[in-house]
Amino acid sequence: DAGVIQSPRHEVTEMGQEVTLRCKPISGHNSLFWYRQTMMRGLELLIYFNNNVPIDDSGMPEDRFSAKMPNASFSTLKIQPSEPRDSAVYFCASSLGMGQETQYFGPGTRLLVL
Amino acid sequence: GENVEQHPSTLSVQEGDSAVIKCTYSDSASNYFPWYKQELGKRPQLIIDIRSNVGEKKDQRIAVTLNKTAKHFSLHITETQPEDSAVYFCAASASWKSSGDKLTFGTGTRLAVRP
Repeated sequence: DAGVIQSPRHEVTEMGQEVTLRCKPISGHNSLFWYRQTMMRGLELLIYFNNNVPIDDSGMPEDRFSAKMPNASFSTLKIQPSEPRDSAVYFCASSLGMGQETQYFGPGTRLLVL
Repeated sequence: GENVEQHPSTLSVQEGDSAVIKCTYSDSASNYFPWYKQELGKRPQLIIDIRSNVGEKKDQRIAVTLNKTAKHFSLHITETQPEDSAVYFCAASASWKSSGDKLTFGTGTRLAVRP
């Protein structure tokens, strides 16, 4: 298995632009997680899905952030409009779900908003 | 909700010495406790985990202990090597809850092993 796949790996954009991050979970995994990591705030859970349904989005910073999971093999995290404080590494992770809690992380997307 | 505290935030040891990282959690319903290692510029990766029905688990040079009464768990690395240098995160979850897949992470410990 290729593991969790994320794209792009690096993104540089200007303030106010829309940013879309993409994730393909491990095949057969039922839960998908989006995290943000910064030096100041550490590893923060933004939102997670189980069977394509959002279960907990309490970590989504504000309305500028949205996430979707249209099918079991694809999810997006969108920031519109982006701001410099959104600069971070965004990780996607997946797990089997149904009580199987081990999470496998993707390589991350390093986002820089100028 | 769950709250996980991790100490110390930084740890420097001499190669060959042992390193211990400690975490406490608040939710007595938590029953799964993984540890992740993150090397510089890389993704977090699971190195060991423990479930609440056991008190200790070992895998070569690493071990994890769990004290459910006190609600704390620890990571022990023996005979440290330079390649152990990384940030280590503890986490906790309650698998039987409806949000059972959700992990609450500690703030991380930056371990430096001096050659």
